[in-house]
Amino acid sequence: SQTIHQWPATLVQPVGSPLSLECTVEGTSNPNLYWYRQAAGRGLQLLFYSVGIGQISSEVPQNLSASRPQDRQFILSSKKLLLSDSGFYLCAWSFGTKETQYFGPGTRLLVL
Amino acid sequence: QKEVEQDPGPLSVPEGAIVSLNCTYSNSAFQYFMWYRQYSRKGPELLMYTYSSGNKEDGRFTAQVDKSSKYISLFIRDSQPSDSATYLCAMSGPGNTPLVFGKGTRLSVIA
Repeated sequence: SQTIHQWPATLVQPVGSPLSLECTVEGTSNPNLYWYRQAAGRGLQLLFYSVGIGQISSEVPQNLSASRPQDRQFILSSKKLLLSDSGFYLCAWSFGTKETQYFGPGTRLLVL
Repeated sequence: QKEVEQDPGPLSVPEGAIVSLNCTYSNSAFQYFMWYRQYSRKGPELLMYTYSSGNKEDGRFTAQVDKSSKYISLFIRDSQPSDSATYLCAMSGPGNTPLVFGKGTRLSVIA
């Protein structure tokens, strides 16, 4: 069966510091991968998705970036965090873009 | 008009009640419909998946899709305190675009 991992679970970072969140999927090949941010009362905001290694689609302009160095690894990064980057970051995978998505446990990020 | 509309609640019901959660959508091209449950500080988990119109039942949960009205529902029978969570609807976008999610309805089932 498939499993999705995210780490760290919680992160407190100062404004202006860099960020690296990692997501890995086990038990499947060539998954579609997604990064979402969930802010209180605002629902899921799709940030990036990837249909293959090195293929990244950005849904919103911001100071975040994503990379997919390996088939089952998806990384969310920032060079300089803003206060507004605080939130709950979720990674998800699916077999296809129109298919059901399966979510990881999430990373709670607090930027101070 | 937003693509997917979902009442954020909160919705508070007594234990044992029948709960009805709903989403409306504007894009008639949507064909796949899902419901997710999200407990506080956890990732969403898939509850129900339906294709096109009709009903689907799984235990105490029933998902309904009415494509003519662009309206989907999730019914929870004999609701339990453990059903207290946020429920998100999702549907497939046009072409190759990813799923579109509602903002979620927060449900509290009071013992």
